[in-house]
Amino acid sequence: SQTIHQWPATLVQPVGSPLSLECTVEGTSNPNLYWYRQAAGRGLQLLFYSVGIGQISSEVPQNLSASRPQDRQFILSSKKLLLSDSGFYLCAWSVLRPDEQFFGPGTRLTVL
Amino acid sequence: GNSVTQMEGPVTLSEEAFLTINCTYTATGYPSLFWYVQYPGEGLQLLLKATKADDKGSNKGFEATYRKETTSFHLEKGSVQVSDSAVYFCALRDSSYKLIFGSGTRLLVRP
Repeated sequence: SQTIHQWPATLVQPVGSPLSLECTVEGTSNPNLYWYRQAAGRGLQLLFYSVGIGQISSEVPQNLSASRPQDRQFILSSKKLLLSDSGFYLCAWSVLRPDEQFFGPGTRLTVL
Repeated sequence: GNSVTQMEGPVTLSEEAFLTINCTYTATGYPSLFWYVQYPGEGLQLLLKATKADDKGSNKGFEATYRKETTSFHLEKGSVQVSDSAVYFCALRDSSYKLIFGSGTRLLVRP
């Protein structure tokens, strides 16, 4: 069966510090991968998606970047965090012709 | 563009009450429709889905019917439990890879 991992589960970082969140998927090959952000009391915003290694599409201009160095690994990064980067970050995967997406447990990021 | 609109929350009910959470959508073509649930501190789980008009998705006592004529996909449950307390998200997937989510509706069920 397929599983999706995210770490860390929680993170507190000062403004201006770098960020690296990791997501890995097991039990499937060639998944589509997604990063979402959920700000407090709000819905989900799609940040990035990837249909293959090295292929990243950005949905909104922002302070963040994403990379996919391996087939089942998706990394969300920032060189300098802003207060507005605080939120709950969710990674998800789907098959090539997706009917649904499967979500990881999320990382709660607090920028102080 | 495509969008999903959900009713504002929180929705507060007593145990065994009837639940309706409204969801309407705007989309070109024939999107698939989904309800996801998020329990406190967790990621999202797929609750149910419908892929074409008049389909009814159902799971764990929840139901939703894909109504093309009213562009709606309202979530219902006949008798809610305290354990149903969560945030519920309506979403659509069009011809692309992406899901478009509503803003979420928080449900609080009191004993």
